[in-house]
Amino acid sequence: DTEVTQTPKHLVMGMTNKKSLKCEQHMGHRAMYWYKQKAKKPPELMFVYSYEKLSINESVPSRFSPECPNSSLLNLHLHALQPEDSALYLCASSQGPELAVSYNEQFFGPGTRLTVL
Amino acid sequence: GDSVTQMEGPVTLSEEAFLTINCTYTATGYPSLFWYVQYPGEGLQLLLKATKADDKGSNKGFEATYRKETTSFHLEKGSVQVSDSAVYFCALSVGGTYKYIFGTGTRLKVLA
Repeated sequence: DTEVTQTPKHLVMGMTNKKSLKCEQHMGHRAMYWYKQKAKKPPELMFVYSYEKLSINESVPSRFSPECPNSSLLNLHLHALQPEDSALYLCASSQGPELAVSYNEQFFGPGTRLTVL
Repeated sequence: GDSVTQMEGPVTLSEEAFLTINCTYTATGYPSLFWYVQYPGEGLQLLLKATKADDKGSNKGFEATYRKETTSFHLEKGSVQVSDSAVYFCALSVGGTYKYIFGTGTRLKVLA
C-alpha cells in the first residue's frame, strides 16, 4: 500500500467552528507532514512529525493544532479559522531519519479542500 | 539559502509536441531532486527523482537528468498528450532536513 489517504475531501466551516482533518498512511513511514497550498502556489510546509513527535512547526498560528496519535495517523485540529485560511491542505509522509534523509521522497495525499466562511 | 527556480508558465503545446520545463537550483550540500505533478483538484504525485549527479530519473515518458555542473534538473518529454495537462513542481531535499524546497510550479496545457 503506497497511498496516503485524507478525509474529508471537502470541508466548509464557519469562523467559530471546530473541525479536524485526518491523514493516514500504512507504508511504515515515520515522518508525516502537513502542508497548506493556496491556488497557483506551491505547497507551504506547516508541521513535521518524526516518530510521532513534533519536529518542525513553521510558526503556524495556534488556531491550527496538529496531533499524531500513532505512527500511521496524523490529525490537524482547526478552531477559530479566518477566511484567509481557505486552501488545500495536503498531508505527506516519508521514511524515517534512520535512512538517508537526503533521499527524502515524500508521498502526498489528495488533500482536503477547506473553505472558511 | 537553498532555492529552486522554475520557468514561468503557462506553457501551451499541441499534442505530440516536445516538452521542456526548466528547473535550476542552488543548494548547500548534495540535494536530491524531484519532479511532482499536480492534476486539477488533486494532490501531488511524484513523477521522477534523482539522488546524485548524473542520475537520470524517468517515468511515463518524462525524463530529467541531475546536472551538477549547471545546477539543473530540466523536465523533458518527447511527445505530450492532452492528459499531461497539469501543474509541474520541481523540488529539492537537502540531506539532514525534512524540508522540501519547491519551485513556483509550471502549468502545462496541451491542446488536441
